[in-house]
Amino acid sequence: AQSVTQLGSHVSVSEGALVLLRCNYSSSVPPYLFWYVQYPNQGLQLLLKYTSAATLVKGINGFEAEFKKSETSFHLTKPSAHMSDAAEYFCAVLLNTGTASKLTFGTGTRLQVTL
Amino acid sequence: DAGVTQSPTHLIKTRGQQVTLRCSPKSGHDTVSWYQQALGQGPQFIFQYYEEEERQRGNFPDRFSGHQFPNYSSELNVNALLLGDSALYLCASSREDRGIQFLGNTIYFGEGSWLTVV
Repeated sequence: AQSVTQLGSHVSVSEGALVLLRCNYSSSVPPYLFWYVQYPNQGLQLLLKYTSAATLVKGINGFEAEFKKSETSFHLTKPSAHMSDAAEYFCAVLLNTGTASKLTFGTGTRLQVTL
Repeated sequence: DAGVTQSPTHLIKTRGQQVTLRCSPKSGHDTVSWYQQALGQGPQFIFQYYEEEERQRGNFPDRFSGHQFPNYSSELNVNALLLGDSALYLCASSREDRGIQFLGNTIYFGEGSWLTVV
């Protein structure tokens, strides 16, 4: 079964510091991986997705993620955190059952940005 | 271009009651999925609709049912509400071409419907 594990339910960084949110996946087939962001009381917004093209994926708001097969990882990074980045971040893997496709999400990482 | 729209945004129901949540997919999308997000959790897949048929269901009881209309919009119905059904219900839409699943197609989410069961 395909799954993702997010390490660290809470991450706190200073404004301007590097953001690193960790995601490891488990999949028997080449995975399709996603990062979504959820601001308070809102739905999910796609940050970026990996679909077996380039291993370094650039997303919105300065975020990027690198797919590393050897480490089964898809960590999300941003060089310099901004206060507006404070939100919940979800890593997800797309499972294709042959008749449907569904996203399986991690438990989320809450990012706090301090002055 | 309107994204995925959901209604209502918030609602409060009593245990045992029934609720209907509605979703209009993004323009050009024909596939609708529903997810339940309990407080502090990641979204959990409920089911997916394509061509007006449910084609995949997650680990949810039969109290959860749905429907897709010819215009691709969808409803989620929950009967005999339990306190544990309190959650954010998210609708997601995507596009498939002639039944072939393009896994790279982006899945868009709505803002969700907050359901509180008291």
